[in-house]
Amino acid sequence: EVQLVESGGGLVQPGRSLRLSCRTSGFTFSDYCMSWFRQAPGKGLEWVSFSRSKRDGGTVEYAASVTGRFTISRDDSKSIAYLQMNSLKTEDTAVYYCVRSQSLITFGGGLWGQGTLVTVSS
Amino acid sequence: EIVMTQSPATLSVSPGERATLSCRATQSVSNNLAWYQQKPGQAPRPLIFGASTRATGIPARFSGSGSGAEFTLTISSLQSEDFAVYYCQQYHDWPWTFGQGTKVEIK
Repeated sequence: EVQLVESGGGLVQPGRSLRLSCRTSGFTFSDYCMSWFRQAPGKGLEWVSFSRSKRDGGTVEYAASVTGRFTISRDDSKSIAYLQMNSLKTEDTAVYYCVRSQSLITFGGGLWGQGTLVTVSS
Repeated sequence: EIVMTQSPATLSVSPGERATLSCRATQSVSNNLAWYQQKPGQAPRPLIFGASTRATGIPARFSGSGSGAEFTLTISSLQSEDFAVYYCQQYHDWPWTFGQGTKVEIK
């Protein structure tokens, strides 16, 4: 069974940093592209970042709103994806979801974790 | 950036009736379009990918159609568990973008 479990969320002051982790199991992590999405309280969904597998080039993508502040990474040996969030702003407050691509070929809606809440407030 | 627009914002439907949700893109996304269902306090649940392919375990009453810039999600006979918010998302080009959602509520 595929499982994705996010952790690392919590309350943090503006300007500080936080690192989210996504521990996975039930599939060969190194083969799959991984993404992070978020949802602010009472708002819609927003894509945050994307990490290609090594077989797909290993490159990354970011939403404009987080470029230069957030870094996506992965440890294929541990089957964990990370999202390092620096210079946090109040507008980064959201539930953050880790998502595995649906297959090796396409994102296709993906398989979603349950999310971890990040609250940025003084 | 590709802007996704969903209509209507709210759809009031009686159980057993058909629901038709629309999603329009500002440019072609080919068939790189997914639909999600989300209930309060839960993660989004993928329903449809590739515009028309049901995700694993999704009932046949959910169907997707369209390509290019116009898409439709149809729920053929609404069940009580289908009342939720539905989002469309394009994964054709960066940045990936979502529609604002359609809330399907009980009439």
